[in-house]
Amino acid sequence: DIQMTQSPSSLSASVGDRVTITCRASQGISNYLAWFQQKPGKAPKSLIYAASSLQSGVPSKFSGSGSGTDFTLTISSLQPEDFATYYCQQYNTYPLTFGQGTRLEIK
Amino acid sequence: EVQLVESGGGLVQPGGSLRLSCAGSGFTFSSYGMHWVRQAPGKGLEYVSSISSNGGNTYYANSVKGRFTISRDNSGNTLYLQMGSLRPEDMAVYYCVRGDGTTVVKRAFNIWGQGTMVTVSS
Repeated sequence: DIQMTQSPSSLSASVGDRVTITCRASQGISNYLAWFQQKPGKAPKSLIYAASSLQSGVPSKFSGSGSGTDFTLTISSLQPEDFATYYCQQYNTYPLTFGQGTRLEIK
Repeated sequence: EVQLVESGGGLVQPGGSLRLSCAGSGFTFSSYGMHWVRQAPGKGLEYVSSISSNGGNTYYANSVKGRFTISRDNSGNTLYLQMGSLRPEDMAVYYCVRGDGTTVVKRAFNIWGQGTMVTVSS
C-alpha cells in the first residue's frame, strides 16, 4: 500500500497568517492527490483534486502544488473558519490511502 | 442540491452484521462512482470500499476484504455497504462519498455525506 505522510501533525497559527502543509507519498503518484478539510463533528469537505485544482466553490486562498511524491497545501490569509484538520489522499492506486491529518489551531 | 444521506448505523455485537445505505439526490446517481470512507472516534480518515457507476468494478481495503460487500441500486439511487463478521475495530462513522466520474480509477472524491455511526460492542 502507498503510505501518505503529512507534516506537521499539528500547527498553530494566527488569523491573517499564511501556512503550508506538506504531504509525502511512499512512491510516485503522479498528480493523483487530493486535500480535504474537516471541522469537529462534521463530514470532510473536498478542497483540491489533481494536486492543484480547486473543487467548485472553494476559495482561491487555498492552493495546492506538487507531483510525484511531494505535495503541499497552502492556505493564505487565515480566517477563523479555516481552523480545522486537513487530510491528503492519494487516488493513484488501490487501496486508496489518506495521510494522518494535520490539525490547524489558532495561536 | 446534490445530497448524500447515509442510514443504517447502530449498535451491533462483535461478529454481527449490518447494512448501511446511502441515498443520493440532486444528481444522476447512475453516472458516478461511489465510495465508503470511515473514521474511528478521534482518529483519521480510512478508505473502505469503492464501486464504479454500473457496479461492474469494486475495490476494498485489506482490512475489510472478505467481510464487507459494496453494491448499488441505480434505479433506487442508493449505495449499500453490507458489513459482516464485525469487529470492535470496525466501530466508526461511515461516510458515503461521490466520485467525480463514472469510473473509480484515478478519479477524485467530490461530495461527502454526513455519515452514520456504527458501534460494535457487546
